[in-house]
Amino acid sequence: DQQVKQNSPSLSVQEGRISILNCDYTNSMFDYFLWYKKYPAEGPTFLISISSIKDKNEDGRFTVFLNKSAKHLSLHIVPSQPGDSAVYFCAADKTSGSRLTFGEGTQLTVNP
Amino acid sequence: DAGVIQSPRHEVTEMGQEVTLRCKPISGHNSLFWYRQTMMRGLELLIYFNNNVPIDDSGMPEDRFSAKMPNASFSTLKIQPSEPRDSAVYFCASSHHGLGNIQYFGAGTRLSVL
Repeated sequence: DQQVKQNSPSLSVQEGRISILNCDYTNSMFDYFLWYKKYPAEGPTFLISISSIKDKNEDGRFTVFLNKSAKHLSLHIVPSQPGDSAVYFCAADKTSGSRLTFGEGTQLTVNP
Repeated sequence: DAGVIQSPRHEVTEMGQEVTLRCKPISGHNSLFWYRQTMMRGLELLIYFNNNVPIDDSGMPEDRFSAKMPNASFSTLKIQPSEPRDSAVYFCASSHHGLGNIQYFGAGTRLSVL
């Protein structure tokens, strides 16, 4: 039962353009969402999060949007840079909980 | 802070051997998680501890896997006997339950069972 899904295994964009990574979830109990970035041979690192009481959270070039009715969230990176090339995981949890459910990941490649 | 420290970074062993992976969480964190990453299944949660107590081990694949947390600064994941299908990258993560759900990951142990 895959409760968090990232349907695009890969995404390629040009430097300077927008990258949009998508994530869907099925468990309506989830109310806290996170994005992690992973470089090869390293562990995932936290990038940005959003609570279900918001529909948008912004941190520099990174913005996460949450559509609760559609059970969908997206990560926007503007402008994209070659150093953003990595695997991006979305994760979900209940605020009261302490475990994360991860999606399968999306490999982002930003071409110079 | 040094972050979550895992050892070894790489482990190559033969089928049937015992493997022990080690993790030192971030000081002050009270939750610790063991994950396995494979191409087929992505990041799977194997087990997690809260205040050194195992809370949910439903992700542990079978009895060959065991995990311990004897104190707040150390945890082990043991596979005995190891099998080729156990080959994967194993991550440890820690968090401070009650201060958000952000988990901080170690660099992982790449295990190859021949």
